[in-house]
Amino acid sequence: QKEVEQDPGPLSVPEGAIVSLNCTYSNSAFQYFMWYRQYSRKGPELLMYTYSSGNKEDGRFTAQVDKSSKYISLFIRDSQPSDSATYLCAMSDIKQGGSEKLVFGKGTKLTVNP
Amino acid sequence: NAGVTQTPKFQVLKTGQSMTLQCAQDMNHNSMYWYRQDPGMGLRLIYYSASEGTTDKGEVPNGYNVSRLNKREFSLRLESAAPSQTSVYFCASRRTGGSYTFGSGTRLTVV
Repeated sequence: QKEVEQDPGPLSVPEGAIVSLNCTYSNSAFQYFMWYRQYSRKGPELLMYTYSSGNKEDGRFTAQVDKSSKYISLFIRDSQPSDSATYLCAMSDIKQGGSEKLVFGKGTKLTVNP
Repeated sequence: NAGVTQTPKFQVLKTGQSMTLQCAQDMNHNSMYWYRQDPGMGLRLIYYSASEGTTDKGEVPNGYNVSRLNKREFSLRLESAAPSQTSVYFCASRRTGGSYTFGSGTRLTVV
């Protein structure tokens, strides 16, 4: 079983739709959870960063973490064509000395159609 | 606001040639990382450096070497390039307990 599983999609939705992106993980030691957005031919950029279970909202984006189920989600409300990108979940545990490493999902490619 | 700078952006190598990918960050981050990204494989960690003077292997280190020259710079060297090393390479840095900041990538083709 891979440490982080993410449905690669692709996912195609109409403009204005609510999008739900999900990842599951197996390592109960993971404490930091992130979502990155990667536009075509660009580097990943941080979208959301959470440390604990629960919800975190930032504009049209909501990140949700359920540690008991080892499941994280990213919701995008009122999706726009500019949201078309690949979304990667990432997570890490806590180690001393800065040696913690992020483990990434493989990414879900999202297309929002006008 | 340069963040993480990678050079070169594109490179074509012949099998057996060597090259060094350069990475520099101006955010005073302690940790730096090299990833490769291939279709269907996601981001895979090649090497990382938790702090200046230390380096460690990641998931796919074979065929690569790294140097943490100082706190700002972390280079990745391919000693004898192989077609299997055709990929997009990303450098990233991270302050302790924080998120990663990625560079814009180097697209490498080995023919």
